[in-house]
This record gives sequence, C-alpha cells and structure tokens, in this order.
Amino acid sequence: NAGVTQTPKFQVLKTGQSMTLQCAQDMNHNSMYWYRQDPGMGLRLIYYSASEGTTDKGEVPNGYNVSRLNKREFSLRLESAAPSQTSVYFCASSEEGGSTEAFFGQGTRLTVV
Amino acid sequence: RKEVEQDPGPFNVPEGATVAFNCTYSNSASQSFFWYRQDCRKEPKLLMSVYSSGNEDGRFTAQLNRASQYISLLIRDSKLSDSATYLCVVNGLVMDTGRRALTFGSGTRLQVQP
Repeated sequence: NAGVTQTPKFQVLKTGQSMTLQCAQDMNHNSMYWYRQDPGMGLRLIYYSASEGTTDKGEVPNGYNVSRLNKREFSLRLESAAPSQTSVYFCASSEEGGSTEAFFGQGTRLTVV
Repeated sequence: RKEVEQDPGPFNVPEGATVAFNCTYSNSASQSFFWYRQDCRKEPKLLMSVYSSGNEDGRFTAQLNRASQYISLLIRDSKLSDSATYLCVVNGLVMDTGRRALTFGSGTRLQVQP
C-alpha cells in the first residue's frame, strides 16, 4: 500500500532557487496538509487543503505556495528559497477536518545554502 | 499562546517505569484528539486516538478532560523501544478560516534507559 508518497526525500538548494515538493495520496482523503519541522519543535502547519480546489494558510505560510491539483495531489512550492526554509517537510492526508488519523509521507529534508 | 502545548522533556526513565505526559489545548471547540509517536528523523505515526471515556491499548492509556482542556498519555512498564517523541494532536481551527486541521504540539521526548 502506497499511502502518502512524497518526493524528493532530500534536496539541497542555493538561496534564491525555486523548487516544488510533490505529494500524492491514494486513500481518497479530502484533507491534505503540508507541515515543516525544525529541530526541537513540533510540526507547524504551512498550508492546508480541505478538498480539491480549496487551500488555506496555516501557521507559517510566508515564502510558500501550494496547489491542490486534484484530489490525490497537493504540491508545495518555494519560489525563492531562503536559509530560514531549511527544514524537514512532511505532507499528510486525512479524512475531512482531521476527524480521523492522518497519514504522513516520509518527509523531505531540505537544506538551503 | 500555542494551540497545543506539551512539556518538551526529555523524560529519562528506567525500564519498567510508569511515565505520564500531559498536553493542553486552547480551542474548546476541538473535536478529535490523538497521540502520535515520532522516531528520530522519521514521519509521525498514530499511537492512539483519545476518546472522552478514556481508552487503553496494552501498556498505553489515554485520557481526555474536556472541562480542563487537557489530554494525557500513560505508559506502563516502559520498554527501551518506547524511546521516541510523543506528539499531542488536536483537530483545531486553521487560523481565521473556520476550517479544521490537525494541530500538533511540540512533542515530549522520552528516553527509556536500561
């Protein structure tokens, strides 16, 4: 079972470069999420999508954009990477509104130099 | 004030000990509550959901106190393999949208020692 597939697993960017993190789920979930996790901190919500065609800002949206391409896919774009965006990024999906368990991708370890 | 607050620890306990973690949440309208476990550099995974009546899964017991807005996790007979970070999770409101999403606490680190 694939669950949530997130790519790439590792990435090094130079300041100012752009990139897109891809996420796809095969569980027919309505809700999808992007979180970032910094050392010693929990997961902070970047963006959230309650359903196809809907996206909302979370706690730390600055410097990011998202696209809910269809029900399966939810991508995160960094238009101009900054060292402060060095982090581990997790994509997740769940039933609507987080009423049930969320399933996570394996994470993307991003370093911006 | 953070929506979900936890003591970061670390909690260093010997094998066989009983350890308890608490978590508080700020949004009284939150509806679903969970404990997740995260191993070093891995994705979080569901440990257990938390129900109003309390629930138990083997050595793990979760309690919810809606009046005081806190959630607890009790681990009995700790094993070395229980060493991990435990994340308290609540389905709170996403900023000003009125929509719900899962909000994570910062996590409590547990180290079980031989």
